[in-house]
Amino acid sequence: DADVTQTPRNRITKTGKRIMLECSQTKGHDRMYWYRQDPGLGLRLIYYSFDVKDINKGEISDGYSVSRQAQAKFSLSLESAIPNQTALYFCATSDPQGGTQETQYFGPGTRLLVL
Amino acid sequence: SQKIEQNSEALNIQEGKTATLTCNYTNYSPAYLQWYRQDPGRGPVFLLLIRENEKEKRKERLKVTFDTTLKQSLFHITASQPADSATYLCALSPSGGGADGLTFGKGTHLIIQP
Repeated sequence: DADVTQTPRNRITKTGKRIMLECSQTKGHDRMYWYRQDPGLGLRLIYYSFDVKDINKGEISDGYSVSRQAQAKFSLSLESAIPNQTALYFCATSDPQGGTQETQYFGPGTRLLVL
Repeated sequence: SQKIEQNSEALNIQEGKTATLTCNYTNYSPAYLQWYRQDPGRGPVFLLLIRENEKEKRKERLKVTFDTTLKQSLFHITASQPADSATYLCALSPSGGGADGLTFGKGTHLIIQP
């Protein structure tokens, strides 16, 4: 969905490095999410945010941090990357105001490889 | 513990037939259940949402049923086409409201053969 963009689309990094994945949205949604997807494990929630002042941990937040710089931007950081953080990362948004507030809109994903 | 289970093996269906995918859940009391489609290397795309008080929902060739007694949802694609080949994910909200994210099943890989 072009309304939710992620950068970079692919990233290779080394163990111990700090990296940041960025997400921007033009949908005007207040709620933003970060998920990771691993083969055989499905999508798992890392962090979510209801607005710039409201950040919440998801199922697997250890080793990650986030920053909600504006309504439209939500960044995910790996403080010290490790190989088992190799995965496909997705940003998503949802709209609390609309009739489909439960629906999530996903970005194209960032493929991360930690060596 | 809470679980969402989908057929883990690929489902091969001949073009024109109806494909039926299953989503079973345990230890949830969801207010609704959602189905998403995911193509390789892309983000999931929302397809349908069905609420606990709805038995069935339709959208074009898609039909979803929701049985809260059996704790099961079935997802049907009628008159299937090769373009329907993708992975299909079911999703629930652990809290019921959806605001704090969704829990997804691992997905079923559907292959429609010409």
